[in-house]
Amino acid sequence: NAGVTQTPKFRILKIGQSMTLQCAQDMNHNYMYWYRQDPGMGLKLIYYSVGAGITDKGEVPNGYNVSRSTTEDFPLRLELAAPSQTSVYFCASSLRPAPGQTSRGEAFFGQGTRLTVV
Amino acid sequence: AQSVTQLGSHVSVSEGALVLLRCNYSSSVPPYLFWYVQYPNQGLQLLLKYTSAATLVKGINGFEAEFKKSETSFHLTKPSAHMSDAAEYFCAVSGNTGGFKTIFGAGTRLFVKA
Repeated sequence: NAGVTQTPKFRILKIGQSMTLQCAQDMNHNYMYWYRQDPGMGLKLIYYSVGAGITDKGEVPNGYNVSRSTTEDFPLRLELAAPSQTSVYFCASSLRPAPGQTSRGEAFFGQGTRLTVV
Repeated sequence: AQSVTQLGSHVSVSEGALVLLRCNYSSSVPPYLFWYVQYPNQGLQLLLKYTSAATLVKGINGFEAEFKKSETSFHLTKPSAHMSDAAEYFCAVSGNTGGFKTIFGAGTRLFVKA
């Protein structure tokens, strides 16, 4: 069971370049998230999705775009990379519990993508 | 809006001592609460979760957390620290008012001294 898979693991970008961080989950989770983690700042929510075709902004969406064409995939696109986007990016997924379910919808995380913009 | 506050960005304990990591939440309805651990250069791993079945929740690696509604707290404890517990710990909240998206605290880095 692969869980949440992120690619690439590492990437160096030049200022102004664009790239897409890939995220896929095989748990049939409806919720998917992108977080960035900066030292001492915890995790900040960039974008999230509650299902295919539905996305919404998190706390720090500027400079990023997402799409969710399938349940499994939730790519994050960086347009015009800036040094401020140097960070570790985590993708996560969770299942919204149906009424009466005991599962509390914990998030499952990928291993992260370490991005450096120079 | 839901939020989580973790008191203390760094906590240092001696091996064998009690570990106490503090977490307070803000939510207008009973939330879902979680503690995650992150080891260096790794993703986050679930330690335990509050299910409302019991206020004292036991997790992996000997950790437990107690939900106290009157104090809006969900502190993480372990009776005896081990060197392998050195990591970053995140408290998180999720629930109806937040659309079930998971909001994380800033994290607490635990150092364990020999």
